[in-house]
Amino acid sequence: GNSVTQMEGPVTLSEEAFLTINCTYTATGYPSLFWYVQYPGEGLQLLLKATKADDKGSNKGFEATYRKETTSFHLEKGSVQVSDSAVYFCALSESSNYQLIWGAGTKLIIKP
Amino acid sequence: DSGVTQTPKHLITATGQRVTLRCSPRSGDLSVYWYQQSLDQGLQFLIQYYNGEERAKGNILERFSAQQFPDLHSELNLSSLELGDSALYFCASSVSGTGGPETQYFGPGTRLLVL
Repeated sequence: GNSVTQMEGPVTLSEEAFLTINCTYTATGYPSLFWYVQYPGEGLQLLLKATKADDKGSNKGFEATYRKETTSFHLEKGSVQVSDSAVYFCALSESSNYQLIWGAGTKLIIKP
Repeated sequence: DSGVTQTPKHLITATGQRVTLRCSPRSGDLSVYWYQQSLDQGLQFLIQYYNGEERAKGNILERFSAQQFPDLHSELNLSSLELGDSALYFCASSVSGTGGPETQYFGPGTRLLVL
């Protein structure tokens, strides 16, 4: 079945460091891929998405590229801020299956 | 603000009781989803409705049920509550509920604590 695997957290970085959060997936078809973010005490917000191979999603300085050959959708940011501290979820969705399949989430802590 | 509203924000109840969680989707969205987020199980899809009809079912217990009303708001009913039902319950909505590239927009969640 479909699944999403994320790197375990927490990930702790200093402000202005480079961020990578790894995400790989298993899917039978051609899924769309998403990154959602959950700030402390809040709901889930869409951060970015990509709907086909080699697409790059980007938002708020974050980027992720849909890599079909490595079944990956790693999240990157060149210079993180304290305000980026949150839990990040990778997810996939296939047209034939309406639900979002979620990774376990990666907690990101940015220290000033 | 996603445009999805959920009430109540917090709910504390006892084992064996029944509660109802309410969700109003974004204006124009016909599909509503319910998810459960717990520390041990992570985020799990429970059920999806589209324009009043059940469309997909996930890991939803028989003690749980949901419905979507003609005005498109949805309710999730949890009965015979157990300690393990304590979790954050999210509602999400989307335009057509067809999956794939369609974005789901999430509400702020209802935090349920069963004592």
